[in-house]
Formats: sequence, C-alpha cells, structure tokens
Amino acid sequence: AQSVTQLDSQVPVFEEAPVELRCNYSSSVSVYLFWYVQYPNQGLQLLLKYLSGSTLVESINGFEAEFNKSQTSFHLRKPSVHISDTAEYFCAVSVVKGAQKLVFGQGTRLTINP
Amino acid sequence: NAGVTQTPKFQVLKTGQSMTLQCAQDMNHEYMSWYRQDPGMGLRLIHYSVGAGITDQGEVPNGYNVSRSTTEDFPLRLLSAAPSQTSVYFCASRSYGTGAVYEQYFGPGTRLTVT
Repeated sequence: AQSVTQLDSQVPVFEEAPVELRCNYSSSVSVYLFWYVQYPNQGLQLLLKYLSGSTLVESINGFEAEFNKSQTSFHLRKPSVHISDTAEYFCAVSVVKGAQKLVFGQGTRLTINP
Repeated sequence: NAGVTQTPKFQVLKTGQSMTLQCAQDMNHEYMSWYRQDPGMGLRLIHYSVGAGITDQGEVPNGYNVSRSTTEDFPLRLLSAAPSQTSVYFCASRSYGTGAVYEQYFGPGTRLTVT
C-alpha cells in the first residue's frame, strides 16, 4: 500500500520569503504524484502533478515541485510567497496501474505574514 | 459546466439518524469518490466507483454505503450516524482509463456534525 508523509503540519513565513513544503511517499510500485491546494472554506484544487518525463514540474502561480525517486520525495517550493498563497497544501500519490486511488498526506498549513 | 456539486453544505444529525449526502458531476467522468477530511489526518478515501454499477471500498468504509446507478450521481449514505462521523465530506470525480487526464475535481464539501 502507498503512504504519504508531509513533514510539517504548519509553516509560517513572511511575505516575499521563499518556502518549501516537504513531502515523502512510500510505494513498492510506480506512482503519480500530486500537490493540491485548499483555500479557506473551499474544496481542493490541483496545483501541479508529476506523471512522467521531466522531474521538475511547475504551476501557473509560481510553485514548483521536483520528483526525487531515490529519496522518494516530492517537495513543493516557491521562491517568493504572497499573502494570497495562505492555504492548506496536500501532497498525494496514486499508483500508475490498477484502480489508481489517490492517497493524501496529512496536509501542511501555510501561513503568510506581512 | 457546474463541475462537482454537493448537497447539503451543512447538516446536523442526532446519533442514530440516517441521511444521504448527494454528489453530482456534469463532466461525464467515470471515476467518482468520497473522502472525509479531519484535522491533522488529511483526506481519507471512504468509497469509490469506476463506473455505473461498480463501487468499491476505500480506507475508511465502515458506517457508509454507496451506489452508482448513473454516471452523474454518486450518493453517500450514513445508515446510523455516530459522533465519530462528524467531519467534512468531499466528493470528487475524474476521467479514468486510457487517456485519462488524472486531474481530480472536488466538490465544495458538506460539513456534517453528529450530536
């Protein structure tokens, strides 16, 4: 079975500072990796995904994540955060074959301080 | 497109009562699923379906039933509500199989309180 560990439950940073949200996964088979964002009182939205190819994937709002197979990690980074990035971020994994169920990490609450 | 819709948005139940959480999608997605979200535990899969007439259990299925009679609808039934089922429930859908996009779309959620 697959599992996902998000190493930080809360990350406070100042506006315009860089941020890294850490995600490690466990799986014995090939996986797809995702980051979802949940703004206050809303559902989840896909931020970015790794399916194959380049290990560095980017979102339209400046976030990027790098798939590291040897370290089984998929950390999310942004070089300069904005107040509007305040949200909860979830890392998720899905096996490539089979029912492709999505397994989520516990979430990291990102708080941006002015 | 409305995307994924859920009703109701809020619900308060007494222990032992039953109810159905409704979920509908208008994107012709084969794959639909139900999650519950609890603080510090992320989202946990309750049940999922890969097409009309096909359902399967997820990580935390006890106390919940589902059925899938149409592609569009995937209701979640609580047969006898318990305080441990107090949570926020999300329905999601995506395409499935060859050529699938692998982007899962989530509904706005239903906040359920069981007293």
